Amino acid sequence: RKEVEQDPGPFNVPEGATVAFNCTYSNSASQSFFWYRQDCRKEPKLLMSVYSSGNEDGRFTAQLNRASQYISLLIRDSKLSDSATYLCVVDSNDYKLSFGAGTTVTVRA
Amino acid sequence: GAGVSQSPSNKVTEKGKDVELRCDPISGHTALYWYRQSLGQGLEFLIYFQGNSAPDKSGLPSDRFSAERTGGSVSTLTIQRTQQEDSAVYLCASSLAQGASGYTFGSGTRLTVV
Repeated sequence: RKEVEQDPGPFNVPEGATVAFNCTYSNSASQSFFWYRQDCRKEPKLLMSVYSSGNEDGRFTAQLNRASQYISLLIRDSKLSDSATYLCVVDSNDYKLSFGAGTTVTVRA
Repeated sequence: GAGVSQSPSNKVTEKGKDVELRCDPISGHTALYWYRQSLGQGLEFLIYFQGNSAPDKSGLPSDRFSAERTGGSVSTLTIQRTQQEDSAVYLCASSLAQGASGYTFGSGTRLTVV
């Protein structure tokens, strides 16, 4: 079983729509959680950290469910520029980050 | 520098040849990581350097892979006798300390073994 699993998508949504997707992780001892964004043929960039209480950053909302071992990302009012692959990242506190394979989101005009 | 610099950005090599990939981390970042990303796959951890401590090489896939970090700054990842399955994007990241919030990735080296 992979440490971090994501639905690869793609999620094709119209501009202005809301899109949400999850990521599951296998290590119950995981301490820190993040969403990274990766554009085509570019390096991953940190989008946001995920806190236990859930957190928002503009149109982006992240949630953590420790009991079920998943995190989620919700994007409201999608923009064309949101088209990217979103990587779920889990840090088990041993500095070796575990990356999901990514969920592809395509926002169409 | 302002960001993590990797070179070359693209490398095509013949099977069996050796290659060297270079990473120049952000000045002052003590932690340096190498990851590999194959098409459609998540990032795979290769090796971690932290200051003057012994590196964690547990992610290196075979003894054909080696890495060093000179003077706590620039790092070189060497792949000997390359194989086609080594084709991937090799990403370097650096951070001030452990933890993803401080990770900055370089733009990667796209290695193609033909």
